[in-house]
Amino acid sequence: ETGVTQTPRHLVMGMTNKKSLKCEQHLGHNAMYWYKQSAKKPLELMFVYSLEERVENNSVPSRFSPECPNSSHLFLHLHTLQPEDSALYLCASSLGQGLPYEQYFGPGTRLTVT
Amino acid sequence: AQTVTQSQPEMSVQEAETVTLSCTYDTSENNYYLFWYKQPPSRQMILVIRQEAYKQQNATENRFSVNFQKAAKSFSLKISDSQLGDTAMYFCAFFPANAGGTSYGKLTFGQGTILTVHP
Repeated sequence: ETGVTQTPRHLVMGMTNKKSLKCEQHLGHNAMYWYKQSAKKPLELMFVYSLEERVENNSVPSRFSPECPNSSHLFLHLHTLQPEDSALYLCASSLGQGLPYEQYFGPGTRLTVT
Repeated sequence: AQTVTQSQPEMSVQEAETVTLSCTYDTSENNYYLFWYKQPPSRQMILVIRQEAYKQQNATENRFSVNFQKAAKSFSLKISDSQLGDTAMYFCAFFPANAGGTSYGKLTFGQGTILTVHP
């Protein structure tokens, strides 16, 4: 484990449900990220938080709502998702947003939207 | 904007042999970093190796080394003495280093190459 944890590891939800993904880092980092990993596609950066401020929203639909209450925790709130939103959602953190800071990834949440 | 291309969706190698994974990228940046990340079947992605574009010397980490050809925009990963634990998906990634640019702070990933090491 790299110090970044994600819960739950697996989630099945209907299109009308509301759920949240949680990410926690124990590395003292100041930047946190949400990525979407779909089969046969490159990882897509969704959101970037630096010092608890959102610095990047990569044209993500509003049915995905991030929250960063402090530098150790990051949430992704989900509501009225579509089946094409089924994917592995990865959280990452780094000491800062820029170089030379390596990103450390969590194990991911496998989301299935039915 | 940057693009990263990994043209080999899947590769396989026998244990103890050497394998090379390909990566090409396209960018107008002149200062950047390149990375190889490994994602084992357990899904936790870890950094394998990093190359700074302004360094001509190829990076090496134990059995992992890169062949960085800046003019050709090529960044391949060589794994020597392959081990069963090297079985994973490998991602090539690009990171622009010029602060203030619109892409600063963003990792751009390739599609990934699934490597299987056979006993």
